[in-house]
Amino acid sequence: QSVLTQPPSVSAAPGQKVTISCAGRSSNIGNNYVSWYQQLPGTAPKLLIYETNKRPSGIPDRFSGSKSGSSATLGITGLQTGDEADYYCATWDSRLSGGVFGGGTRLTVL
Amino acid sequence: EVQVVESGGGLVQPGGSLRLSCAASEFTFTNYYMTWVRQAPGKGLEFVANINEDGSERYYADSVRGRFTVSRDNANNSLYLQMNSLRAEDTAVYFCARGRFGVGGIDFWGRGTLVTVSS
Repeated sequence: QSVLTQPPSVSAAPGQKVTISCAGRSSNIGNNYVSWYQQLPGTAPKLLIYETNKRPSGIPDRFSGSKSGSSATLGITGLQTGDEADYYCATWDSRLSGGVFGGGTRLTVL
Repeated sequence: EVQVVESGGGLVQPGGSLRLSCAASEFTFTNYYMTWVRQAPGKGLEFVANINEDGSERYYADSVRGRFTVSRDNANNSLYLQMNSLRAEDTAVYFCARGRFGVGGIDFWGRGTLVTVSS
């Protein structure tokens, strides 16, 4: 049982938009930055979004992050087959004094 | 090119110990938090431990606190994870990563090293 709650899977057609939710509480998402990671099969995770809504160099603006209260959302527009991967949200939990991840969401581009 | 390369994984019996190493290069090691994250076979990512730039602050997941110790050698650009009293549930790929939860994010990950705890 992960501290942060994500849907196990989402799917959409190429070119469409999808959002992935990440629900937490005040001790984690509510009062800390959120980051998002993409993990392609058999590879290491890759940073997509940091500090809730910032993109590292090289990450296209098709990827966006936002937060409202104790929930965060990753948005992906213009879906491509290469976006098929597992996506994880993460943040610091001040009550646990440790990092926490969501359980991961498998994105399928139909 | 930034590199972090893990080593030290392998097969160990329950109750045994293992020390993971992570060699960092092509960035100023002393400017960064470093983090260990693990992933059990077929499962999601799990925070293990992290350490601040000068090693004065260390944080652990509840599941490993008291058994694992994170440390760093800034003179040699190296990160370590000493794992004692290993359990079957510690079986996972262990990733060394640059950065932290929060400011800047965990922005660069190694390929991971597999630790298998089994008799």
